[in-house]
Amino acid sequence: GAVVSQHPSRVICKSGTSVKIECRSLDFQATTMFWYRQFPKQSLMLMATSNEGSKATYEQGVEKDKFLINHASLTLSTLTVTSAHPEDSSFYICSARRPTGWTEAFFGQGTRLTVV
Amino acid sequence: GQQLNQSPQSMFIQEGEDVSMNCTSSSIFNTWLWYKQDPGEGPVLLIALYKAGELTSNGRLTAQFGITRKDSFLNISASIPSDVGIYFCAGQPRETSYDKVIFGPGTSLSVIP
Repeated sequence: GAVVSQHPSRVICKSGTSVKIECRSLDFQATTMFWYRQFPKQSLMLMATSNEGSKATYEQGVEKDKFLINHASLTLSTLTVTSAHPEDSSFYICSARRPTGWTEAFFGQGTRLTVV
Repeated sequence: GQQLNQSPQSMFIQEGEDVSMNCTSSSIFNTWLWYKQDPGEGPVLLIALYKAGELTSNGRLTAQFGITRKDSFLNISASIPSDVGIYFCAGQPRETSYDKVIFGPGTSLSVIP
C-alpha cells in the first residue's frame, strides 16, 4: 500500500509563533494533497486541497493567510500555521492522492499541535 | 451543501457479533470510501467503491455503493477486539470541480470481549 509520512507527530509551540508541518508521499507521486483538521471526538474537516505547482484551494471559512500551504514537489506538501494561538491547537492530518485515475487518498499519521 | 450522515453514532457489541453501519447523503457521490481511525493516528483506508451497486469485500469487511449513489454501508462479520475504533465514510461529491473528499461524522465501535 501507499505510504504517506507526516512530520512532526507532535509539536508544542508558544502563542504567536509559526509552525510548519510536512507531508510526504513516500512511494508515489502525489499531484494532489489534502489537509484536514480534527478536533477531539469529531470528524475530519477538510481545510484545503493542495495541487503541485499551483495555489491551494481553501475551503470556506479557512484563512489562507493563517494556514499557508506549499506543494512545491510531487512528494512534499507543507502546512504552516502562522502566528499560532491556543484555538489553533488541534490534530492536523494530511493525505495524498495517487495520480489521475485513483481516488483513494492515503493518510499521514497526523500532527498533534498544542499552542501554549 | 455536501454533507454525510453516519449511523449509528456509536455501538457496543459482543465479540463475535456482526456489525452494520451506514452512510447517507442528500447529494450524489462519485466515490465512497470507508476508513478506520485509531486514537492519535491517521485514518486507514478499508474499502473503496467506485460504481453504483458495487459490492466489495476486504477480509471480514464488506461494503456496498448504493444504487442511488447517495448511500453506502459497511458490514463487519465476526467482530474481534481489534475492530475497536472510529469508522468514517468519506466520499467524492459529484458536483465538485476539483478533487475533494469529505468525511462523515464517524461511527464509534466498541467490542466487548
